[in-house]
Amino acid sequence: DAKTTQPTSMDCAEGRAANLPCNHSTISGNEYVYWYRQIHSQGPQYIIHGLKNNETNEMASLIITEDRKSSTLILPHATLRDTAVYYCIVSAKEYGNKLVFGAGTILRVKS
Amino acid sequence: EPEVTQTPSHQVTQMGQEVILRCVPISNHLYFYWYRQILGQKVEFLVSFYNNEISEKSEIFDDQFSVERPDGSNFTLKIRSTKLEDSAMYFCASSDLVGTEAFFGQGTRLTVV
Repeated sequence: DAKTTQPTSMDCAEGRAANLPCNHSTISGNEYVYWYRQIHSQGPQYIIHGLKNNETNEMASLIITEDRKSSTLILPHATLRDTAVYYCIVSAKEYGNKLVFGAGTILRVKS
Repeated sequence: EPEVTQTPSHQVTQMGQEVILRCVPISNHLYFYWYRQILGQKVEFLVSFYNNEISEKSEIFDDQFSVERPDGSNFTLKIRSTKLEDSAMYFCASSDLVGTEAFFGQGTRLTVV
């Protein structure tokens, strides 16, 4: 079973920041937080991952709380093409990158 | 940008028939995976493959399933005798190192009739 809890759905106005929360209160010290998204029925797309420091790349920022029990994915300027299901996944390297997907958050970006 | 390629995009087969789903992972990647997604449900892990052997498999991956890397570039999933409940999107993925991101293909939609 997935070790994360995410809201079922969220709406965001086009051009605004989308902040997607994730709870992972049972995360272990060696587990990373990964974010993927899935647009329609396409293959999941990697967004970002982190261990304990905040991370930023060209797609998004990942903010992890100091106790590592929750995180937030930030899409700084959401576009209509960011409408997708967003998955927060915790996984340790020794699990060989096996990803356990939950139901994710349906993000609807509206004009 | 390198990508994982899956063929065919859609396969229709009769119940009881064997199917082979094909994937070409990113060329320098070492870890390979198959996932499936039944319509309207979660993405489910099936199997991971490294160094020419299965490193982990789920309960779904029973004796009807097998994987192979026959020629150093392709990675295949075989379902020996398909059942109606095998109808799903099947995604192949690959990664270069443990702990790095996995790249997914666009999937093969398998329909068993």
